[in-house]
Amino acid sequence: ETGVTQTPRHLVMGMTNKKSLKCEQHLGHNAMYWYKQSAKKPLELMFVYSLEERVENNSVPSRFSPECPNSSHLFLHLHTLQPEDSALYLCASSQAGAGPTEAFFGQGTRLTVV
Amino acid sequence: AQSVAQPEDQVNVAEGNPLTVKCTYSVSGNPYLFWYVQYPNRGLQFLLKYITGDNLVKGSYGFEAEFNKSQTSFHLKKPSALVSDSALYFCAVRDYRAAGNKLTFGGGTRVLVKP
Repeated sequence: ETGVTQTPRHLVMGMTNKKSLKCEQHLGHNAMYWYKQSAKKPLELMFVYSLEERVENNSVPSRFSPECPNSSHLFLHLHTLQPEDSALYLCASSQAGAGPTEAFFGQGTRLTVV
Repeated sequence: AQSVAQPEDQVNVAEGNPLTVKCTYSVSGNPYLFWYVQYPNRGLQFLLKYITGDNLVKGSYGFEAEFNKSQTSFHLKKPSALVSDSALYFCAVRDYRAAGNKLTFGGGTRVLVKP
């Protein structure tokens, strides 16, 4: 148990569906991240939120829409996805501005787009 | 820009033998370096980190890593590997100047420890 919880653990969705991934951290951190892990590119940083503001968006397609309503919660809204979006989506949190602290990861959501 | 390279996609080792997973980095300024392990269908678990000071860092599960500034390397080591160490290992560097202090990861190295 890392203190970062992701739900659901598994998700199968059609290309026309809309779904959301949820991440919650109980560590008191002020930065949260979304990573995509696939066979082709093991760990791609998608979004970075620091103090609830999005500070980085690594050229992620608009069919992925993040939301960070407070420092403990992070969402990834999905719509009209493509089969190549099937991957493990990992959420992480850390304490930004507090020195070289490590990031803590959730268990991930295994997404399959059919 | 910061980057991390893990030159080996896979490392095979017999149980009881020493295990080394290689990592080299490129970063301007002082590096903050990390190792993570990922077991099947799980998230990443923190193993150890280097900030400053002693070049040999000890971490979880008997792992250690040696920081070498002249070779810009941070290799992960374990004196005697276990079958349960079979997993995917990631090296990462943190850019403390970037907003949100993001981690940049290497491509990962799969370790297979055979009985």
